[in-house]
Amino acid sequence: DSGVTQTPKHLITATGQRVTLRCSPRSGDLSVYWYQQSLDQGLQFLIQYYNGEERAKGNILERFSAQQFPDLHSELNLSSLELGDSALYFCASSITSRDYNSPLHFGNGTRLTVT
Amino acid sequence: AQKVTQAQTEISVVEKEDVTLDCVYETRDTTYYLFWYKQPPSGELVFLIRRNSFDEQNEISGRYSWNFQKSTSSFNFTITASQVVDSAVYFCALRGGYQGAQKLVFGQGTRLTINP
Repeated sequence: DSGVTQTPKHLITATGQRVTLRCSPRSGDLSVYWYQQSLDQGLQFLIQYYNGEERAKGNILERFSAQQFPDLHSELNLSSLELGDSALYFCASSITSRDYNSPLHFGNGTRLTVT
Repeated sequence: AQKVTQAQTEISVVEKEDVTLDCVYETRDTTYYLFWYKQPPSGELVFLIRRNSFDEQNEISGRYSWNFQKSTSSFNFTITASQVVDSAVYFCALRGGYQGAQKLVFGQGTRLTINP
């Protein structure tokens, strides 16, 4: 158990809808990362937050947004969903933002299916 | 740009065979960090090992060993006496020390199947 909690585990929704994925980092970790895993794109970095502030952005669509709250949990909001958004979404956490040697610890992921 | 290449898409071996998973990386950073993760059929990503660019010592942990060679930009992973429980997708990942330091860049993964 990595200590990173993601909810829900599975989500099935229709095109055009909006969903929110939730992540609680490991105790003591200040940095949260979101990744998308799809069959054709592999594991893609979406966005990173550190102590409530956005630190880095990757291949995140404009329809997607995220935030990190004062209690350090994070939410990833996906809107105007398309079939291609179906994927496994991972949250990961690490202690700091600048300890690049520190591994990312991943949650079990949220499997999103858009029908 | 940071890039990780795992040329072996799928590998299938019989239990107790040794198997090596290849990883080749590209980076312009002089300091960088390499990682291996395992994704079993249950789907979670499990951290296995990290290596700094300035530490080229190879590492052994039980049946697992890692061979880091800066000269060939490779960070290969060997499982000795493989077991069925080793069946998973294995990812090699790179984190730059300066450029792109915030994110972990993953290879496409190698699906390893250990047959009884």
